[in-house]
Amino acid sequence: AQSVTQLDSHVSVSEGTPVLLRCNYSSSYSPSLFWYVQHPNKGLQLLLKYTSAATLVKGINGFEAEFKKSETSFHLTKPSAHMSDAAEYFCVVSDRSGNTPLVFGKGTRLSVIA
Amino acid sequence: NAGVTQTPKFRVLKTGQSMTLLCAQDMNHEYMYWYRQDPGMGLRLIHYSVGEGTTAKGEVPDGYNVSRLKKQNFLLGLESAAPSQTSVYFCASSYSDYLRTDTQYFGPGTRLTVL
Repeated sequence: AQSVTQLDSHVSVSEGTPVLLRCNYSSSYSPSLFWYVQHPNKGLQLLLKYTSAATLVKGINGFEAEFKKSETSFHLTKPSAHMSDAAEYFCVVSDRSGNTPLVFGKGTRLSVIA
Repeated sequence: NAGVTQTPKFRVLKTGQSMTLLCAQDMNHEYMYWYRQDPGMGLRLIHYSVGEGTTAKGEVPDGYNVSRLKKQNFLLGLESAAPSQTSVYFCASSYSDYLRTDTQYFGPGTRLTVL
C-alpha cells in the first residue's frame, strides 16, 4: 500500500522569502513522486516529478524537490516566494507497480504576504 | 490545442436527478481519469480508462458510471444524484500510464451541487 502525508495544511510566507512545503510518503515499491499546483478555480498543473533518475528534481517557476529515501520525504522548496505562487500544492505518490492508482496528499495551501 | 476541456463548468441538481459530465482531450492520450475533490481530502479517483472502449473502477466508484466510446471523450454519469456527490470533479488524461510515471493533464473542473 502507498500513502502520502503533507505535513502542513497551510503555510504562509512573505514575498521574497524561502518556501518549504513538506511531504512524506510510504510505498511498498520504489516510488514515483509528483508535485502538482492548483491555482484558485483552476485544474491541477504538474510542477515536477521524480521517477528514479536524479534525486534533486527541478520544476517550473523556480521550484525544486529532493527525494530522500532514508527519510521517505519529497519536500518542495523555492528560494524566493512570489505573489503568484499563492495556490494549493499537492504531493502525489505512485508505487509504480501498475496495480494501484496515484495517491494524492490532502494539499497544502500556500499564502504569500506582500 | 485546447488540452483537456470539461462540460459543464457548474451544475446544480436535485436529489435523484441524473446528469452526464463530458471530458474531451485533443492530445491523443490513451489514458483518461475522473477524480473528485472534496475539502481537505485531496483528489480521489472515481473511474479511469486505459483506452477506447475500456473502463475500470478507481477508489470511489459507487454511484457513478463511465463510458469511453471515442478515444478523445470520457463521460461520467450520475444515475441518481445524492447530496454526498456534491463536489468538484476533475478529468485528466495522460499519454500512457506505464509504471505510473506519466504526467497527467487536468481539465478546469466541474463544480456540482446536489440539493
